[in-house]
Amino acid sequence: DAMVIQNPRYQVTQFGKPVTLSCSQTLNHNVMYWYQQKSSQAPKLLFHYYDKDFNNEADTPDNFQSRRPNTSFCFLDIRSPGLGDTAMYLCATSRVGVSDGYTFGSGTRLTVV
Amino acid sequence: AQKVTQAQTEISVVEKEDVTLDCVYETRDTTYYLFWYKQPPSGELVFLIRRNSFDEQNEISGRYSWNFQKSTSSFNFTITASQVVDSAVYFCALRNGGTSYGKLTFGQGTILTVHP
Repeated sequence: DAMVIQNPRYQVTQFGKPVTLSCSQTLNHNVMYWYQQKSSQAPKLLFHYYDKDFNNEADTPDNFQSRRPNTSFCFLDIRSPGLGDTAMYLCATSRVGVSDGYTFGSGTRLTVV
Repeated sequence: AQKVTQAQTEISVVEKEDVTLDCVYETRDTTYYLFWYKQPPSGELVFLIRRNSFDEQNEISGRYSWNFQKSTSSFNFTITASQVVDSAVYFCALRNGGTSYGKLTFGQGTILTVHP
């Protein structure tokens, strides 16, 4: 039944070692988002894709990249993770033209050691 | 710029008490959407309600109710007869309505703990 699936659920990576987080959706929504949520903080948008158009938030570090090879999948790549990148990463989707809420995945808890 | 403020960082109640979570927002847009999400310990964000800026009707869904007042830029959330399962972090969020998609700006969240 899960409609936005994030893998892995938990990820531990070493300082400086590239890591990729995965998000897939079965909703056929044209917009996909990546949010970063640090401990006890609000989720913060990193970037989003509207179909294949990539939209980066102004304050998203260059260390964070994203790929969307097709409608269903979106990846978050962290090129050289720092300790400050330890956070929950949430993927969400929405459908253009429909003012519904967003559908969030269960998140990936990333720990950088 | 848009901003969402949830004044209560933490609230602790005993089961069956009513509890209200406050949310105040700032935006320059005349069209916008307000949301409430619940985040249980497992981490996913669960959608509770969406309200657009033209609809000031209050809404009730079971034990949940929402009070939207444009005059005070507030969108408060009340849980009646709280239960232990209501324990979670609750986020209020705002999206400007210029497009039919876009960035959600979240408040800092309110940690609700319901004790048996």
